[in-house]
Amino acid sequence: KNQVEQSPQSLIILEGKNCTLQCNYTVSPFSNLRWYKQDTGRGPVSLTIMTFSENTKSNGRYTATLDADTKQSSLHITASQLSDSASYICVVSQNTGGFKTIFGAGTRLFVKA
Amino acid sequence: EAGVTQSPTHLIKTRGQQATLRCSPISGHTSVYWYQQALGLGLQFLLWYDEGEERNRGNFPPRFSGRQFPNYSSELNVNALELEDSALYLCASSLDGTLTEAFFGQGTRLTVV
Repeated sequence: KNQVEQSPQSLIILEGKNCTLQCNYTVSPFSNLRWYKQDTGRGPVSLTIMTFSENTKSNGRYTATLDADTKQSSLHITASQLSDSASYICVVSQNTGGFKTIFGAGTRLFVKA
Repeated sequence: EAGVTQSPTHLIKTRGQQATLRCSPISGHTSVYWYQQALGLGLQFLLWYDEGEERNRGNFPPRFSGRQFPNYSSELNVNALELEDSALYLCASSLDGTLTEAFFGQGTRLTVV
């Protein structure tokens, strides 16, 4: 069964601290993995996208890693800001001739002052 | 120091009634989580409160609601009880919203007849 599981479900951190969000998937055949940030009431915004051959990708204070062997990804946020408060969604795409996307349930991050 | 306390320990209700479950977190903890554990199933996340605000909600119908009081204690209300609501309801608290550091209470066993 193709699944994407994220942890933790929710997280509160203090402004300025770092945090790491986890994503484990069982999607096969794997095409790519994306991390999205979704602010409340808005559509998701892509942070990073990685294919099978890439094991790290940075976007400012966001760094995603991918281990295709263990089917794990992480999103590391450095020096968190209040504006980082959002849901972070891991999305894995499968390519079996047709394109299929499986969404994780997301991690709700709250950054406190 | 007292741990997380829940009341009542057992509750028997008839179908269609309402149930109110209570939880007092560890002193100093601001986050309270509610979980449902039906017989033979794993923990299912219900609700998360932090500093009086609902931060996250699991995949449960609106019949399940709750609130957090200024002293950080919490109530879980289940309206229009159904037989399938029979379960152990666990409350957990944490200092800073990090689920891995949450401490659980002993639970309330709700039986709907």
